Amino acid sequence: DTGVSQNPRHKITKRGQNVTFRCDPISEHNRLYWYRQTLGQGPEFLTYFQNEAQLEKSRLLSDRFSAERPKGSFSTLEIQRTEQGDSAMYLCAGGRLDTGELFFGEGSRLTVL
Amino acid sequence: GNSVTQMEGPVTLSEEAFLTINCTYTATGYPSLFWYVQYPGEGLQLLLKATKADDKGSNKGFEATYRKETTSFHLEKGSVQVSDSAVYFCALSGGYSSASKIIFGSGTRLSIRP
Repeated sequence: DTGVSQNPRHKITKRGQNVTFRCDPISEHNRLYWYRQTLGQGPEFLTYFQNEAQLEKSRLLSDRFSAERPKGSFSTLEIQRTEQGDSAMYLCAGGRLDTGELFFGEGSRLTVL
Repeated sequence: GNSVTQMEGPVTLSEEAFLTINCTYTATGYPSLFWYVQYPGEGLQLLLKATKADDKGSNKGFEATYRKETTSFHLEKGSVQVSDSAVYFCALSGGYSSASKIIFGSGTRLSIRP
């Protein structure tokens, strides 16, 4: 158990709907990352936070994706107007600046019909 | 930008065989290097890491040496077990800034036959 929890674990939605995923790291994790993983591929970087500041967002990410980390604790990833190509596993990972190690949650699987 | 290239899988070996999974990287500055492992039905977890050139990371019988001259971080194990069957990901972070994102390779699936 890494201490990082993600909800919901699985979301099925229709194309065009909005979805939101939540990640709760442990309090020691001043860094928080979001990745997307499709079958047979490695985690693809989406965005990351240092405390509440969003430091970088992938250029591959369209404007339909937005992430927040209010107060530097939990984080949310929202996808607006979902498309079938958004179907993937969305991974959250917490970590600390001094160690560089990431602790992954079990992921939230999105299926867009 | 920074990138990681891993040997493609799947890799299938017999128990007690020697394992090498190749990983090379492209990065500016002095990145930290990692191997993560994903066992069936589980999330990714750190296997080992190295933070500077010539460092050797090791864990659970696995080793990898940070080679700056060849920009490589190959994963090795002298005698694999069935329980090592998993997907292995090479990753890097940093460069000139410690506040850099961590990026992953595409993964190498390893299957060990009894």
